Amino acid sequence: GEDVEQSLFLSVREGDSSVINCTYTDSSSTYLYWYKQEPGAGLQLLTYIFSNMDMKQDQRLTVLLNKKDKHLSLRIADTQTGDSAIYFCADRGSTLGRLYFGRGTQLTVWP
Amino acid sequence: AAGVIQSPRHLIKEKRETATLKCYPIPRHDTVYWYQQGPGQDPQFLISFYEKMQSDKGSIPDRFSAQQFSDYHSELNMSSLELGDSALYFCASSLGLGRTSRRSGNTIYFGEGSWLTVV
Repeated sequence: GEDVEQSLFLSVREGDSSVINCTYTDSSSTYLYWYKQEPGAGLQLLTYIFSNMDMKQDQRLTVLLNKKDKHLSLRIADTQTGDSAIYFCADRGSTLGRLYFGRGTQLTVWP
Repeated sequence: AAGVIQSPRHLIKEKRETATLKCYPIPRHDTVYWYQQGPGQDPQFLISFYEKMQSDKGSIPDRFSAQQFSDYHSELNMSSLELGDSALYFCASSLGLGRTSRRSGNTIYFGEGSWLTVV
């Protein structure tokens, strides 16, 4: 099956930018997603990018996609303590296809 | 805006018992997905339904079954529960084929999850 890899931990200081990286193996990916999960909570859709795009910006969030290298990143500008959570990268192949999740990156923001 | 509704939010069952989880998708969404997330794990796909028919199957144990009803809500039935079934169960919904667009991204929205504890 498809593989999605993420680094497990990232720590940043409040006000700095955070960059969370993800790699995937599925060459037929149509959409790639970023979800945020706070402790004991559900999966909140943050943003997504269509596979033919290379960048998408949404307020403090910037998604970069390098389709050739199958590399996706999420940049959070001006990171706040409220951004502390687990961030999941997810890959979706076919239009009705399941999402393949990475293991999640635990982002810790220090005041 | 209406979101995906799951019930119950918390459930405690004993080994070998049966549990049923319910999911109400976002209005007009015709596709439902079930995922299982163990402690410290990423969500694992179980099964999905499109227009009341099973559309995809993942790592769902034979002890589990699911269906989607005419009003598009879905139920996940789990029998002969084992300790290892303790997890957070997510339901998600989206619009299926024919309504995809770059604008919507055919996005998949998740519910808050149902916590199942098997003791």
